Amino acid sequence: NAGVTQTPKFQVLKTGQSMTLQCAQDMNHNSMYWYRQDPGMGLRLIYYSASEGTTDKGEVPNGYNVSRLNKREFSLRLESAAPSQTSVYFCASSETGGPNYGYTFGSGTRLTVV
Amino acid sequence: EDKVVQSPLSLVVHEGDTVTLNCSYEVTNFRSLLWYKQEKKAPTFLFMLTSSGIEKKSGRLSSILDKKELFSILNITATQTGDSAVYLCALGIYNQGGKLIFGQGTELSVKP
Repeated sequence: NAGVTQTPKFQVLKTGQSMTLQCAQDMNHNSMYWYRQDPGMGLRLIYYSASEGTTDKGEVPNGYNVSRLNKREFSLRLESAAPSQTSVYFCASSETGGPNYGYTFGSGTRLTVV
Repeated sequence: EDKVVQSPLSLVVHEGDTVTLNCSYEVTNFRSLLWYKQEKKAPTFLFMLTSSGIEKKSGRLSSILDKKELFSILNITATQTGDSAVYLCALGIYNQGGKLIFGQGTELSVKP
């Protein structure tokens, strides 16, 4: 039972390069999320998708785009990476409105932009 | 603005001590308050609280919510070195697509 799978686990980019972080879940959850975590700042929401076909901005969306490819997959794209985007990125999914409201998290992607 | 504030931001204790972690919040449309434990990787779920005054308990960990005073506490009794982690408090809000708003976290270090 894989849960939420994120790739890659580590990545180093040069300023201005682009990349896509992939996320897939096998729990048939409706909702998926992308968070970033920086030291001393908890997790901050970048974008989320409440259901297949919808996406919404979170707290810190600038510099990012997302695609909800299907119910299973939700990708995060950095079009032109900046050093300020150095962070740990977590994808998560949840069964919105279900009895267990908590998230299932992926293992994270540690991104460094130099 | 919906927000979550945790205190203290960091805490160092010795094995066997009891600790209390605090989480206060402001919210327009409260749905739930959740606690997570994070040990250098993805957060893992501890508790979800929706009603005031009802203690949730799991082993040495317990948590309670006060919806009148807008806070929650997480207690850990007889701490062990394995309790060392960042503890995150998160707020669930109705009609917000299931998103959670996280606090900054409390970094707990338990010394032998």
